[in-house]
Amino acid sequence: GAVVSQHPSRVICKSGTSVKIECRSLDFQATTMFWYRQFPKQSLMLMATSNEGSKATYEQGVEKDKFLINHASLTLSTLTVTSAHPEDSSFYICSADSPGTPYGYTFGSGTRLTVV
Amino acid sequence: AQTVTQSQPEMSVQEAETVTLSCTYDTSENNYYLFWYKQPPSRQMILVIRQEAYKQQNATENRFSVNFQKAAKSFSLKISDSQLGDTAMYFCAFMSYQGGSEKLVFGKGTKLTVNP
Repeated sequence: GAVVSQHPSRVICKSGTSVKIECRSLDFQATTMFWYRQFPKQSLMLMATSNEGSKATYEQGVEKDKFLINHASLTLSTLTVTSAHPEDSSFYICSADSPGTPYGYTFGSGTRLTVV
Repeated sequence: AQTVTQSQPEMSVQEAETVTLSCTYDTSENNYYLFWYKQPPSRQMILVIRQEAYKQQNATENRFSVNFQKAAKSFSLKISDSQLGDTAMYFCAFMSYQGGSEKLVFGKGTKLTVNP
């Protein structure tokens, strides 16, 4: 089946630095990638939707300049957390439309970000 | 705006027994999709079952089945012959596709524990 590879799985960074998270669709082309944030014991909250070759669409309340999303190819989307602060510590998950079946979303394995 | 409500924060069931997880949603749309996702401790999101709103027949995937009541906007998940590996968070999700935009909206989740 369709696989979305997400890296890194865990990252610890210092306050003020930037962190890049990558999601790659393996063996299929993902025209649309979704980025979610999940706080402990809570649900997934959509942060933004990225379409290949165009600017991402951010959900209300999500800072565009802080969470930079790039979807430069049909197999790669990246989320960069800029000038990270401890409150940005969270679990970030990407997902992509999977081919073959209608609206079958495939999720990456997630990235646990800890800002110290 | 669409909302998804899961009224059972936690549930438990004995191995081999049957359990039903509740989900209700609110929408004014007629065409949409509903999903149940499983998130085990690994935090990998796994699609359990999917239902298209235009289909009257309830979806079934092996031990997993749904009771889709469109008029009542209810979408419950039944797990038969529960197994220890079914222990996970279960999220109900709603998706509609309009005007070139699609978005998954998740409920808050139900933590299911299968006891030996």
